[in-house]
Amino acid sequence: EPEVTQTPSHQVTQMGQEVILRCVPISNHLYFYWYRQILGQKVEFLVSFYNNEISEKSEIFDDQFSVERPDGSNFTLKIRSTKLEDSAMYFCASSPIGLSSTDTQYFGPGTRLTVL
Amino acid sequence: GENVEQHPSTLSVQEGDSAVIKCTYSDSASNYFPWYKQELGKRPQLIIDIRSNVGEKKDQRIAVTLNKTAKHFSLHITETQPEDSAVYFCAASHNSGNTPLVFGKGTRLSVIA
Repeated sequence: EPEVTQTPSHQVTQMGQEVILRCVPISNHLYFYWYRQILGQKVEFLVSFYNNEISEKSEIFDDQFSVERPDGSNFTLKIRSTKLEDSAMYFCASSPIGLSSTDTQYFGPGTRLTVL
Repeated sequence: GENVEQHPSTLSVQEGDSAVIKCTYSDSASNYFPWYKQELGKRPQLIIDIRSNVGEKKDQRIAVTLNKTAKHFSLHITETQPEDSAVYFCAASHNSGNTPLVFGKGTRLSVIA
């Protein structure tokens, strides 16, 4: 069964550095998402992406964040200047456009980002 | 915006007993309610979902019920097994096509053998 994949599994960075988290959504999916989960807390929505543009974003997704689909398979999340509070597990998800108007979101295994 | 509350935060049951996790939501426009299971260090996995045109859905030992009037939905796991031990998240979203999921805070279920 196809799965969403993410790299790296763990990223350690210094505060103020830029990081890029990578995701390969399921191949026939058209909607892509980033969520994050601070340790011990709920999963929070960051941004959704469709047709090469941001569809929705949360208040967490400020100017330090950006997303890109640089080619036909990858979907990336960039954090320009990381802060300590950006330390979290970042999940990519994707969903197809099906016949029903609401589609299941499938999650990747996550990238654990640690900002020192 | 939508707010999802989930209870309890932790739940311990004896193997073979049933477990019930409850969620409430605030936005009456929400009409898609998935449940995800997350084992330690792994991705959230969809285990069952329900849409607002039905009140109950079952899949083997797992069932979900939805009360739209009261804005609450529940996950029921019967004949629990040790491998059911995980964190369970409920979520809600609008039926406007691939909208963001709003998650509850999760329930850590421990099934004691």
